[in-house]
Amino acid sequence: GIQVEQSPPDLILQEGANSTLRCNFSDSVNNLQWFHQNPWGQLINLFYIPSGTKQNGRLSATTVATERYSLLYISSSQTTDSGVYFCAGVYWNAGNMLTFGGGTRLMVKP
Amino acid sequence: DAMVIQNPRYQVTQFGKPVTLSCSQTLNHNVMYWYQQKSSQAPKLLFHYYDKDFNNEADTPDNFQSRRPNTSFCFLDIRSPGLGDAAMYLCATSGSGAYNEQFFGPGTRLTVL
Repeated sequence: GIQVEQSPPDLILQEGANSTLRCNFSDSVNNLQWFHQNPWGQLINLFYIPSGTKQNGRLSATTVATERYSLLYISSSQTTDSGVYFCAGVYWNAGNMLTFGGGTRLMVKP
Repeated sequence: DAMVIQNPRYQVTQFGKPVTLSCSQTLNHNVMYWYQQKSSQAPKLLFHYYDKDFNNEADTPDNFQSRRPNTSFCFLDIRSPGLGDAAMYLCATSGSGAYNEQFFGPGTRLTVL
């Protein structure tokens, strides 16, 4: 099956700093999703990005499908960005199957 | 707003006492999923429904069952909860087809005493 690896596993930032999170996947996927899991446990959709670059406010993501990686950029980080960031490779099997990476745990300090 | 709703948000049960978790959606999606997430781990798929067709993951214990009475609702039944079943349970939905985004509910945190 597909393997998804994320790096770094843990990240501490000072408020206002920028960061890049990486997601590598082992095989071709139909799509790739990035999520933010907030301290209450909800998974919030950030990007649905099979290839190319998307931006949403201070966040942007780039997926290079041919090289099997995706990057999530956080600029001008805020304390509310804290939480766990997951990427998931998506493939179809009577449903959109997600293979999650291990997550990056981000703490933004004021 | 279209959304995925889970009830209750917190559930406490006793060892061995059956419990049912509920998920509903207003997105009119064909596919509904149940995940289990333990502390500091990624979500793990238990099973999913494509319309009325049930798809169980090979390593999902028999203790976990699911029902989908209609498009909008899906239930997770834990027949005899053990201490190891304490976790966050996440429901998600997606449209049919390979290029549909999956959306998650807020989760139910289950405690087993």
